[in-house]
Amino acid sequence: AQKVTQAQTEISVVEKEDVTLDCVYETRDTTYYLFWYKQPPSGELVFLIRRNSFDEQNEISGRYSWNFQKSTSSFNFTITASQVVDSAVYFCALSEVNPGGFKTIFGAGTRLFVKA
Amino acid sequence: DAGITQSPRHKVTETGTPVTLRCHQTENHRYMYWYRQDPGHGLRLIHYSYGVKDTDKGEVSDGYSVSRSKTEDFLLTLESATSSQTSVYFCAIREGTSGILNEQFFGPGTRLTVL
Repeated sequence: AQKVTQAQTEISVVEKEDVTLDCVYETRDTTYYLFWYKQPPSGELVFLIRRNSFDEQNEISGRYSWNFQKSTSSFNFTITASQVVDSAVYFCALSEVNPGGFKTIFGAGTRLFVKA
Repeated sequence: DAGITQSPRHKVTETGTPVTLRCHQTENHRYMYWYRQDPGHGLRLIHYSYGVKDTDKGEVSDGYSVSRSKTEDFLLTLESATSSQTSVYFCAIREGTSGILNEQFFGPGTRLTVL
């Protein structure tokens, strides 16, 4: 069965600090996808990144970076030099590729507070 | 922005009444999903659809049913609403592309309160 664990319920940092959000997943499939989404205080859900199980290359996009390690079933998200606008809830999600559809499970989310 | 709307956006109802939430998309995407969001639980999958009349259960499907009679609409029904179904409900769509799995696009959410 699929499972996504985001053990950090809330994180509070001061602006310009680096912060890492942890995501650990469980799946029996060899082919799967991982995602990160952001939910700012306004409530909408915004896609950040997608990674498939065959691509362990880390990715950097501006101040955001992602570290995917299959050996530890983790897909962690780091924000460098955090800003107040980064304050949001961040969700990690896992999608299995199955014949009936792409069932997607989300973690419970990590609420990030960035203080000025 | 993905063309996805939810209606109603807010609803207050009483225990025992039926409630139907509608998700409408203009993107012609194959896959549609219903989630509920509750504090401490994040987003939990209720039901999803992989085509017209093709649906399957998610993690928390008890007390909910869905229907998809046409590509653009995915309806979520609470047959007899209970207070435990007070939540924010999100619909999501996903394009089906051969060879890759695309991201989901989410609707604005429906806040449902069951008194």
